[in-house]
Formats: sequence, structure tokens, C-alpha cells
Amino acid sequence: GAGVSQSPRYKVAKRGQDVALRCDPISGHVSLFWYQQALGQGPEFLTYFQNEAQLDKSGLPSDRFFAERPEGSVSTLKIQRTQQEDSAVYLCASSLSQEMRFSSYEQYFGPGTRLTVT
Amino acid sequence: SQQGEEDPQALSIQEGENATMNCSYKTSINNLQWYRQNSGRGLVHLILIRSNEREKHSGRLRVTLDTSKKSSSLLITASRAADTASYFCATDAANQAGTALIFGKGTTLSVSS
Repeated sequence: GAGVSQSPRYKVAKRGQDVALRCDPISGHVSLFWYQQALGQGPEFLTYFQNEAQLDKSGLPSDRFFAERPEGSVSTLKIQRTQQEDSAVYLCASSLSQEMRFSSYEQYFGPGTRLTVT
Repeated sequence: SQQGEEDPQALSIQEGENATMNCSYKTSINNLQWYRQNSGRGLVHLILIRSNEREKHSGRLRVTLDTSKKSSSLLITASRAADTASYFCATDAANQAGTALIFGKGTTLSVSS
């Protein structure tokens, strides 16, 4: 079946522009995560949805970052007034499981959107 | 902040050799996972080991977990050029349901033919 898809794959924005990054999770997956991966680093958590509810947004670096998943499927990560430090790969992942303790908790990652802010 | 720390940061070996990567973490966990990331591709899940397991095998992969030392190792046997990638360990937080994975900085593995 289809995996997690993200669009666009590459985005160049001038400093101060707003950007919107889209994630299409695997159909039926309850959990959806956004991560930010800087060059040479591991992914860092931004925010988590369970269906349409945003249960954790503790990783969002500032109030310029906003994420939504209004119908519990597709999600959009929006960055307002982009800054150079926002340049990174933004990864989306989905997981079937919402109860971690007794179930397989594999996350399926999309290819990411590489954002470059000039 | 990143919980996991992989060691070494970079590893270069010849095809056919074994590669061992280590990961240390800080807090109690439910599971520990290893992921691979090729250049230009997303993260691919390799193997998950639960906190009550000590060793797990999958094909040429062998993972160990020592919760007393808060450490894990990933062994890739009979390496191939296609194994060239970055490898990350990822942990959860034992007291939170549905929480995100916490990744280390990764080990960059280069396998030359």
C-alpha cells in the first residue's frame, strides 16, 4: 500500500515568508507526528496528533509554528515569518498504534520536506 | 533535546565485515528502535526491541538491550555497500502513552566494496 507522502519535497523561502508543508499519512493510522531534522542531527519532535486532536505540541520551537489535522487524516505544518534557523528537513510520521505499552509502535516516515530559508 | 547518543559517530568498513553501533539513553523506556536513513530518503524502521527483551534478531541485524546500563547495540553482519547509511536509535518515554520518539544524533556507516 501507499506509504506516508509529503509535499513539497523541496521548498525555498525568503526570510519572512510563510510556508505550509503537507503530510498524507498511511490510511487508517491514528497517530501522526512531525519532526524537524537539522543537518547532521537526528530528528527532533515537534508535535503529535491522535486523530484530529493535537495532544502534544511541546516541541514546536516558537509560536510561528502551527500544525493542524482537521479531519484526522492529512496534516499541515505551517511556519509563519520564516527565519534562517528554520532551514531543516521536516519529517512526518504516522503510526497505527495509539496505545504504546502493549503494541508494536513502529512509526512510518515520509521522505520529508527540505526547507531552505534564504 | 536528544536522549540517545550513538557511538561511534562515523564508521567505515569493508564489505563483508561486521558493523557494530552503540546507543545510550537517559530515561526509562518501553521500547527502543533502530532506524536507517539513506541519503535523500526518509527514515526506515529496522527493528524494535521491548524493555523486557535482551536480544533480537532480524536477518543480518542483531540488537541487544541492557536496561541496567541504559544502552543498546546494533550489529550488522556481513555488511554490503547498500548498508551505507546513517543509523539512529530512538526511544520513547516509559510514562507517556502515544508519545514521540526521541532520536540520537546517529552513526554514519560507510561500507566500501
